[in-house]
Amino acid sequence: AQSVTQPDIHITVSEGASLELRCNYSYGATPYLFWYVQSPGQGLQLLLKYFSGDTLVQGIKGFEAEFKRSQSSFNLRKPSVHWSDAAEYFCAVVAGGTSYGKLTFGQGTILTVHP
Amino acid sequence: GAVVSQHPSRVICKSGTSVKIECRSLDFQATTMFWYRQFPKQSLMLMATSNEGSKATYEQGVEKDKFLINHASLTLSTLTVTSAHPEDSSFYICSASDPQGLLEAFFGQGTRLTVV
Repeated sequence: AQSVTQPDIHITVSEGASLELRCNYSYGATPYLFWYVQSPGQGLQLLLKYFSGDTLVQGIKGFEAEFKRSQSSFNLRKPSVHWSDAAEYFCAVVAGGTSYGKLTFGQGTILTVHP
Repeated sequence: GAVVSQHPSRVICKSGTSVKIECRSLDFQATTMFWYRQFPKQSLMLMATSNEGSKATYEQGVEKDKFLINHASLTLSTLTVTSAHPEDSSFYICSASDPQGLLEAFFGQGTRLTVV
């Protein structure tokens, strides 16, 4: 079965600083990978997704992620963080051939942005 | 993008009563919907897969008699928490996949259930 690990439970950065959120997955074949963002008490919004092809994917709100098969990683990055980026971020994986709704989530990383 | 609406957003109920949560796909037909549960400061755990016109598929450890799922139409799935207890208090979120090929899941706003 697939699994996702987000090693950092909580990250604090200053506004304008760069950001990298780590995500490692475990899955035998090529995974379908996603990053979602959740504001407090809200549902999830998709930031970006990777299925195949170019390993650097661009998402909304200036986020990007890079798929590295050799490291089983799919880290999320943003060059300059805005205060509105403060939220919880979830990395998720779907086993190939299953519905894109059947997600396995990582533990989440809470992002705090200092002014 | 596709919109999934979940209702209510917040509900408080007495222990022993039942609560129904609705999940609607507003602008697409969803043959499959998913129900997740999120405990405070924890990740989302898949509870069950809701299939239109057939029985739901529950994940291991989820009590199907406590969490009743009905998917009677292509746009509506309901989750009923029966005989609720304080330990059922949680954040419940539904999602649906757009079968038209957007290759992603769309989430409802979530329901905060508090059982007192």
